[in-house]
Amino acid sequence: RKEVEQDPGPFNVPEGATVAFNCTYSNSASQSFFWYRQDCRKEPKLLMSVYSSGNEDGRFTAQLNRASQYISLLIRDSKLSDSATYLCVGLRTDKLIFGTGTRLQVFP
Amino acid sequence: EAQVTQNPRYLITVTGKKLTVTCSQNMNHEYMSWYRQDPGLGLRQIYYSMNVEVTDKGDVPEGYKVSRKEKRNFPLILESPSPNQTSLYFCASSPLPVDQPQHFGDGTRLSIL
Repeated sequence: RKEVEQDPGPFNVPEGATVAFNCTYSNSASQSFFWYRQDCRKEPKLLMSVYSSGNEDGRFTAQLNRASQYISLLIRDSKLSDSATYLCVGLRTDKLIFGTGTRLQVFP
Repeated sequence: EAQVTQNPRYLITVTGKKLTVTCSQNMNHEYMSWYRQDPGLGLRQIYYSMNVEVTDKGDVPEGYKVSRKEKRNFPLILESPSPNQTSLYFCASSPLPVDQPQHFGDGTRLSIL
């Protein structure tokens, strides 16, 4: 089993829709979690860290469920500019473990 | 401007010809790392460094070498490149601890023929 697993998608949603991604993790990659965003052929950029109590940043909400070992990212009121690949990332000791990413395509 | 600079951005070369991809950061970060990104496999860590003269293997170190003689530079060396090292490579840096945001370079696309 991969340490961090994501559904590759693509998720095709209309503008204004709410979309959610899940990511599951194994015990070894369970210190801290993050969501990164990667545009096509570009470098990944941190979107948000994920806290146990859940956290929100504008239209984005991240949640961590340690009992079920999954992380979620909710995007409300999707914009065309949200089209990208979203990478779930876990931290194991001094190493970051990246999921393969979930691709989101927002259409007009 | 704070940045991570990788060179070259693109390289096509042949099997067995030694090459070096340079990575430099101007943010005085302690932590630097190299990743390769392949379709369906995501980003996988090759090597990382916690500080000058301290380097450790990541998950896919075979066929690669690194060095950290200065804090700002972390070159990736392919002594004898092979076609299975054709990939998109990213260098990243951050302050310690490692749960800080990672700053990535623009990427280097290597093709080994």
